[in-house]
Amino acid sequence: GAGVSQSPSNKVTEKGKDVELRCDPISGHTALYWYRQSLGQGLEFLIYFQGNSAPDKSGLPSDRFSAERTGGSVSTLTIQRTQQEDSAVYLCASSEPPDYGYTFGSGTRLTVV
Amino acid sequence: GENVEQHPSTLSVQEGDSAVIKCTYSDSASNYFPWYKQELGKGPQLIIDIRSNVGEKKDQRIAVTLNKTAKHFSLHITETQPEDSAVYFCAALGGSQGNLIFGKGTKLSVKP
Repeated sequence: GAGVSQSPSNKVTEKGKDVELRCDPISGHTALYWYRQSLGQGLEFLIYFQGNSAPDKSGLPSDRFSAERTGGSVSTLTIQRTQQEDSAVYLCASSEPPDYGYTFGSGTRLTVV
Repeated sequence: GENVEQHPSTLSVQEGDSAVIKCTYSDSASNYFPWYKQELGKGPQLIIDIRSNVGEKKDQRIAVTLNKTAKHFSLHITETQPEDSAVYFCAALGGSQGNLIFGKGTKLSVKP
C-alpha cells in the first residue's frame, strides 16, 4: 500500500483482557518496528523485525507483550492481561533497509479501563 | 547501548524567527540521524536526515548539522510559520542496534 496502515485506530479494553494490534507495512519493506508512545512522552522501542531473522525483542517491557510477523508482511502486537499502565499510543513503522527513514503509521490509541 | 538527549523540551518562537533544536548521542558508532515531525493525532513523519559522512544538509527552510567529534546534531528551521508548530523528534541509529533510538521530543510553537 501507499503507507503503513494500523488497526484499530482506537481500542478501549477492560483491565485483564487481551488485545491484538495490527500493522500493515509498506509493500516490500523488510524491516518493521513497534514503538510505544505514552502521553506527552517520547517513542519507546518495543520490537524489531528484519527479513527472516529472529526479531529483536529487547524492548518488550514484560512477558505479557509479544509480536509476530507473518510472511514477512503483516505484524500483530499482542498484549495479554492488559494493565492500566499499558495505555498508550502504539506506533508501527517500516523501512527498507533499516538505516533509511522509517515510515510510521498513525498508531493505535489503547485505553485500558 | 545508544542514548539520545534532546533539548529544549518546549520552544516558542514568533513567526518568521528561526528555531534550533539540539540533540546529543552516546554511541560513537552511530551513523544515521533522522528528524521527525509529529502533528497532533498523527504518526511521526520524516522531515530530514543526515549520515555520518556529511556535516550539513539543507532542504528549503530546514537544515541539519552534525558534529561527530562532539557527538551532537541540530535541526535548524528558518522563517518559521504557524504550520511548523508540532513535536519534533531526533533519533540515532547505533552501530550495534538495528532500531532507531529517539530523543524525548521538542514541542515547537510558532506564534503568528
